[in-house]
Amino acid sequence: DAKTTQPPSMDCAEGRAANLPCNHSTISGNEYVYWYRQIHSQGPQYIIHGLKNNETNEMASLIITEDRKSSTLILPHATLRDTAVYYCIVRVPRNQFYFGTGTSLTVIP
Amino acid sequence: GAGVSQSPSNKVTEKGKDVELRCDPISGHTALYWYRQSLGQGLEFLIYFQGNSAPDKSGLPSDRFSAERTGGSVSTLTIQRTQQEDSAVYLCASSPRGRGYQETQYFGPGTRLLVL
Repeated sequence: DAKTTQPPSMDCAEGRAANLPCNHSTISGNEYVYWYRQIHSQGPQYIIHGLKNNETNEMASLIITEDRKSSTLILPHATLRDTAVYYCIVRVPRNQFYFGTGTSLTVIP
Repeated sequence: GAGVSQSPSNKVTEKGKDVELRCDPISGHTALYWYRQSLGQGLEFLIYFQGNSAPDKSGLPSDRFSAERTGGSVSTLTIQRTQQEDSAVYLCASSPRGRGYQETQYFGPGTRLLVL
């Protein structure tokens, strides 16, 4: 099963960078790290994924440690609309995405 | 382009009734997945379709749950004789190729089912 550890909740001031950590110490060499978020009453939204290298897209940056045992999702300039539950997923057996309880990020005005 | 759509968005039913939930995946996506999310919980996998076949039904919680997919596109999840514990948000996702590929799944908005 997917085994990730995320803090249950975090706050971030509007306009500041939000750094969401995830531990995945049992990750295998060919498993990607995915991040999704779920805004209240909506379906999960894909954010970013990566294997070894750091990745950046229009939404966020993903920093993966060299040993791949942890990663950090960075929202560079958090807005109120970024308030959501953020899920880190590292194992996709049989195409099943296992979502844990994630990190509830609250962006504060 | 159009994303994954689901209907109805909300469904209230009485215990013992049957319900049908519909999912329209992204056009051209081979793989389709059903999940459910109970209040305050993570997502629970239900079933996976590759084309019209379902090679993985391992997540269906009981034989009251069934799903089909036709034309490699639309899928219907049916719950017979609904129980109150079936109340949840039912989410559908699709991906381009499916099994054997680690690829992004794109989710629909979900159907909120309430069984009274």
